Amino acid sequence: KQEVTQIPAALSVPEGENLVLNCSFTDSAIYNLQWFRQDPGKGLTSLLLIQSSQREQTSGRLNASLDKSSGRSTLYIAASQPGDSATYLCAIDRGSTLGRLYFGRGTQLTVWP
Amino acid sequence: DVKVTQSSRYLVKRTGEKVFLECVQDMDHENMFWYRQDPGLGLRLIYFSYDVKMKEKGDIPEGYSVSREKKERFSLILESASTNQTSMYLCASSLDRGLLRAFFGQGTRLTVV
Repeated sequence: KQEVTQIPAALSVPEGENLVLNCSFTDSAIYNLQWFRQDPGKGLTSLLLIQSSQREQTSGRLNASLDKSSGRSTLYIAASQPGDSATYLCAIDRGSTLGRLYFGRGTQLTVWP
Repeated sequence: DVKVTQSSRYLVKRTGEKVFLECVQDMDHENMFWYRQDPGLGLRLIYFSYDVKMKEKGDIPEGYSVSREKKERFSLILESASTNQTSMYLCASSLDRGLLRAFFGQGTRLTVV
């Protein structure tokens, strides 16, 4: 069974800081990795998708990297803003016929002004 | 943009009631999923479907059933609601079995009293 771990569970930083969220997984035979954002009481919004042949993806102030050999992904947020406050989840899929996502429990980020 | 719509944002039901949670997607996606999300437990897969009239059990199917009579609609059914089914329920859809990119609904907060 694929285990996905996110560290830290919670993070509180002042506005303007650059920060890194970590995701590790036990099985390197992954197909894709996605980072999601979830605002309180809401659904999930996909932020970045890294396919197995890729090493990183960028969108605005967000950069996600993937190192399959070490079983790790990082989400880098540059120049954090209060609007970035949310829970960030990573999810793995193995691209098999099962076609399902394995989620970490998330990192709850608070950016204070 | 892909849109995944869950019929209710908030529901309150009584123990023993039969409860229907509806999910509709408008992008002709093959795959649809139902998750529940609980504090400290993260997202857990209840059921998923690859095609019309097809369903597969996820990690926690007990006490639930599903229906997929049309491609765009995936219903989650609580046969006899219990208090331990109080949770946030999230529906998702994706284009292919590899879950190349998953899109989520806004969630239904169900309270069973």
